[in-house]
Amino acid sequence: DSGVTQTPKHLITATGQRVTLRCSPRSGDLSVYWYQQSLDQGLQFLIQYYNGEERAKGNILERFSAQQFPDLHSELNLSSLELGDSALYFCASSVEAARTEAFFGQGTRLTVV
Amino acid sequence: GESVGLHLPTLSVQEGDNSIINCAYSNSASDYFIWYKQESGKGPQFIIDIRSNMDKRQGQRVTVLLNKTVKHLSLQIAATQPGDSAVYFCAENIQGGKLIFGQGTELSVKP
Repeated sequence: DSGVTQTPKHLITATGQRVTLRCSPRSGDLSVYWYQQSLDQGLQFLIQYYNGEERAKGNILERFSAQQFPDLHSELNLSSLELGDSALYFCASSVEAARTEAFFGQGTRLTVV
Repeated sequence: GESVGLHLPTLSVQEGDNSIINCAYSNSASDYFIWYKQESGKGPQFIIDIRSNMDKRQGQRVTVLLNKTVKHLSLQIAATQPGDSAVYFCAENIQGGKLIFGQGTELSVKP
C-alpha cells in the first residue's frame, strides 16, 4: 500500500458525460500528479500540483481539468468524454516538487461506452 | 522531442539468473531518473532512482547504471525471483516533477 488513495476504482460512463476522479495523497506529501495509462500511449503525464498551485503541465486535453484543495487532496475532472478517454488514471504524490520519488495510487479504471 | 524508450519490450529469464533491463532517454538536460515496477492491476511501484551526478546506485538486489554519454539507463536485478515478474518502466524527470515514462519492458521469470 503506497498510502495514496484513489476513488473510485472503477467507473463506467457514457460518451459526452463528465466524471470526477479523486485522489488523497500520502500524509505529508505536498505534490500531486495525474497520469493517464492507455494501451497505445503508455503512461502519460497530465498535470502536477504542489501545495495547491499548478506546477507542471503535460499533454492534458482542454476537456480535462484538475485542482488541488487546501487539504491537499486533488480531483481530476474529465468532461465531454469520448471512447478514447477510456484508460487507467493514476494519481501519485511526493514530498518535494521535483527530482523525488513519487508514490502511485492503485488507479481509477475509466470505461467510456 | 521528449521521449524515453526501451530497447526490449519483453524479457524472459530463469529464476535465479540476473536480469538487465535497458532504457534510452533523449533529453540530455534530464537530471533525475527513476525505475518503476508495475504488477498487473496495480499502480507503478518505486524501485530505485539515480541523479545525473551519479553513474551507479545500488539497492536491495537492484542496481541502476547511468551512462550520460550515450543517454542510457539500465536496471539490473540480481537473482531474479518469480515475484519480480512485472512490467518495468524507466522515467525521466525533465521539468518540475514531470516524469516522462518509457514504454515498459515486461519481465517474465520462469521457475
